[in-house]
Amino acid sequence: KNEVEQSPQNLTAQEGEFITINCSYSVGISALHWLQQHPGGGIVSLFMLSSGKKKHGRLIATINIQEKHSSLHITASHPRDSAVYICAVSQVTSGSRLTFGEGTQLTVNP
Amino acid sequence: EPEVTQTPSHQVTQMGQEVILRCVPISNHLYFYWYRQILGQKVEFLVSFYNNEISEKSEIFDDQFSVERPDGSNFTLKIRSTKLEDSAMYFCASSEAPRVGQYFGPGTRLLVL
Repeated sequence: KNEVEQSPQNLTAQEGEFITINCSYSVGISALHWLQQHPGGGIVSLFMLSSGKKKHGRLIATINIQEKHSSLHITASHPRDSAVYICAVSQVTSGSRLTFGEGTQLTVNP
Repeated sequence: EPEVTQTPSHQVTQMGQEVILRCVPISNHLYFYWYRQILGQKVEFLVSFYNNEISEKSEIFDDQFSVERPDGSNFTLKIRSTKLEDSAMYFCASSEAPRVGQYFGPGTRLLVL
């Protein structure tokens, strides 16, 4: 079983829709990261969370430590949001290395 | 905005050859990382580096791999004798401190023939 599980694997939305991507983890963490991977392969860090909620523009990330679950929400989605969204965790037992989920491929159609 | 850079962007090599992948981390960062992503798979941790030594490595990071910070700016990953299964995208990352946000480079796509 993967330590970090994401759902859905693939998500197709129409422009303007509200999008939710979920991440569950099975290990003790010091932080959870949401990352965006562009079609060319580059990775951009979106959020790092250890509790509560963070917002940046149209992106919102939440984490529930008790339930070992995080969500990434995109409001008013746009075709330029199309990318792979990756959840990764810093485990309590393994220093600063990141353990990655499989990613969610998001496609937003105009 | 400061960024992590990597060279080359693409490298094609023959099996058994040595390759060196180069990274220039963000200048005030002290923690450096290499990750790899085999096509169609998730990103995997290879190694972390701090204070001129390896602080952590994964089971993937065997004797064929080494890392070095040869000067004040570059951080390199060397694969001594490449195998077909080393074909992947290799990402360098850096951070100011442990357990904070990591900044990723654009990656080097390595193809071993």
